[in-house]
Amino acid sequence: AAGVIQSPRHLIKEKRETATLKCYPIPRHDTVYWYQQGPGQDPQFLISFYEKMQSDKGSIPDRFSAQQFSDYHSELNMSSLELGDSALYFCASSSLTSRLETQYFGPGTRLLVL
Amino acid sequence: AQKITQTQPGMFVQEKEAVTLDCTYDTSDPSYGLFWYKQPSSGEMIFLIYQGSYDQQNATEGRYSLNFQKARKSANLVISASQLGDSAMYFCAMREGPSGSARQLTFGSGTQLTVLP
Repeated sequence: AAGVIQSPRHLIKEKRETATLKCYPIPRHDTVYWYQQGPGQDPQFLISFYEKMQSDKGSIPDRFSAQQFSDYHSELNMSSLELGDSALYFCASSSLTSRLETQYFGPGTRLLVL
Repeated sequence: AQKITQTQPGMFVQEKEAVTLDCTYDTSDPSYGLFWYKQPSSGEMIFLIYQGSYDQQNATEGRYSLNFQKARKSANLVISASQLGDSAMYFCAMREGPSGSARQLTFGSGTQLTVLP
């Protein structure tokens, strides 16, 4: 079965640079979520989109922005990167019409800021 | 207050034995969903099992079952017949609100399970 695709899988950036993470949800899933997982921590919710509209917002820094496109893929844009942004970034997708509304996670993008 | 509490930072179990991973939750919303995810050392987050707040029966998925005690606000994961490949970090998570609400998941701090040969 098709899974959530994230690219790139690994990314190394310098402080103050920008980064763009991409997410391709499972086909026919209408909702995308972004989470940030720091080393040794649990995932923290950043932002979500349903049918290309922002649905919910968590602890996303103002330096970050995201959007969902007409083909349902999503991009997380991160500017003025800081050392503390080094983390594993997950995208998850779900279908709001399914009973469980389970969020299926992609493999993650491991971002290292030097 | 913590919404999801996992009190066992680490657990050990002998191969082929059963193990219970604890999870308690806190919410005032009558409608919610509880999830367990497995995160191996490779980093991916794998969905294991779901329990809805209105589900009458405890959820089961193969070797995984969820011991749901609503009055106690606990949703413990039971893994039967442990295998070496079960060694991983296990996260309990909650979605507050009914299905169809596109709500975020709130995770616990996780339990690192090690299966011993």
